Amino acid sequence: QVQLVESGGGVVQPGRSLRLSCAASGFSFSSYGMHWVRQAPGKGLEWVAGITYDGYNRYYADSVEGRFTISRDNSKNTLHLQMNSLRDEDTAKYYCAKGNIVGAAGYFDFWGQGTLVTVSS
Amino acid sequence: DIQLTQSPSFLSASEGDRVTITCRASQGIRSYLAWYQQKPGKAPRLLIYDASTLQSGVPSRFSGSGSGTEFTLTISSLQPEDFATYYCQQVDSYPITFGQGTRLEIK
Repeated sequence: QVQLVESGGGVVQPGRSLRLSCAASGFSFSSYGMHWVRQAPGKGLEWVAGITYDGYNRYYADSVEGRFTISRDNSKNTLHLQMNSLRDEDTAKYYCAKGNIVGAAGYFDFWGQGTLVTVSS
Repeated sequence: DIQLTQSPSFLSASEGDRVTITCRASQGIRSYLAWYQQKPGKAPRLLIYDASTLQSGVPSRFSGSGSGTEFTLTISSLQPEDFATYYCQQVDSYPITFGQGTRLEIK
């Protein structure tokens, strides 16, 4: 069965960096686009970044463009999110999500349970 | 960026009721719209994609319709497990965006 397990969250000071990872299993990871979605405490869903199946194309929300980098290692079935210059407003639970269409962005048919990032001095 | 506006933001209903949630896009998104259900402390669950296609395993009491700028999610007969928050999402163009959510509570 499809499993997505996020890791790397924690408490970090403003301006510092953090790297999230998402270990995928149960499907052909290298065939699907992947995404990061976050949810601030008590708030709605915000798409953060997406990457195509081959890693060639990457997309970002305006709020994180230039600070966050999405990447993937298809040999290790792992998705990453490098977060630099963190701000208070980046505090959220971060989910990784799988696209539902081979070779395209698609919708998000499987989600991990999320990892919590708290930015605080 | 494409803005998605859901209405209502809060809905109180009873078991067995038929409810409809609307999602309006700030510009046309063809049929590239999905609906998700989220329960407290849980990850979202994909219910419907391409505006009206039911995701595998989702009960048939859920249905979606619309195209262009106006979309609806209908639950034909509310069950206890349906009380949750619902989000629409567009994937017509980047950045992908979500609606602000509709919280469905028991009356």
